[in-house]
Amino acid sequence: DIQMTQSPSSLSASVGDRVTITCRASQSVTSYLNWYQQKPGKAPELLIYTASSLQSGVPSRFSGSGSGTDFTLTISSLQPEDFATYYCQQSYNTLRSFGQGTKLEIK
Amino acid sequence: QVQLVESGGGVVQPGRSLRLSCAASGFTFSRYAMHWVRQAPGKGLEWVSVLSYDGSNKDYADSVKGRFTISRDNSMNTLFVQMNSLRAEDTAMYYCTRGGLQPYDAFDIWGQGTMVTVSS
Repeated sequence: DIQMTQSPSSLSASVGDRVTITCRASQSVTSYLNWYQQKPGKAPELLIYTASSLQSGVPSRFSGSGSGTDFTLTISSLQPEDFATYYCQQSYNTLRSFGQGTKLEIK
Repeated sequence: QVQLVESGGGVVQPGRSLRLSCAASGFTFSRYAMHWVRQAPGKGLEWVSVLSYDGSNKDYADSVKGRFTISRDNSMNTLFVQMNSLRAEDTAMYYCTRGGLQPYDAFDIWGQGTMVTVSS
């Protein structure tokens, strides 16, 4: 199985900040890495697929990069609605493992 | 609109069974692989199971293999998971998600979830 590790596990930031979350796979997943956002009490929503493609309707302040084993999610200028938990997920393997999540909190 | 609606959750005793359903609408259900993902209270997301568009291929997380069975009825646009020999650690919100038309696709549509609590 492919293990996904995110860092940090939690992050405090302010509105307008630029933040980066990293995700590392235990083996290469080529570009098959996705990012999801989850707000309390809600289902996750797809933000980024295949490492860098923005899902329809997602604001352009979100971006993704990376390939192989190392990936990043960047939010260029935090907005109040961005405070949530973010998960990476590999879709290279049928067994679709997730990272443990990064909780983004207001400073 | 494109929608997934789960049902069937509830409180069940350890060792008992439960069957969850996921009703799909707004898209051609029979063309898509479908997955179940769960989330224990206060914890992260855990992938549970996948079923191919035609039901011919399926797979499971090790944590549920041999106890859970995924299935679908394309004529009814519905995904199921039969959960047997339930354990306390199966307590979670269970989400139905749409995989893609291609094997590597992300989960672009999620249901609202149905809660399963395993407790005596």
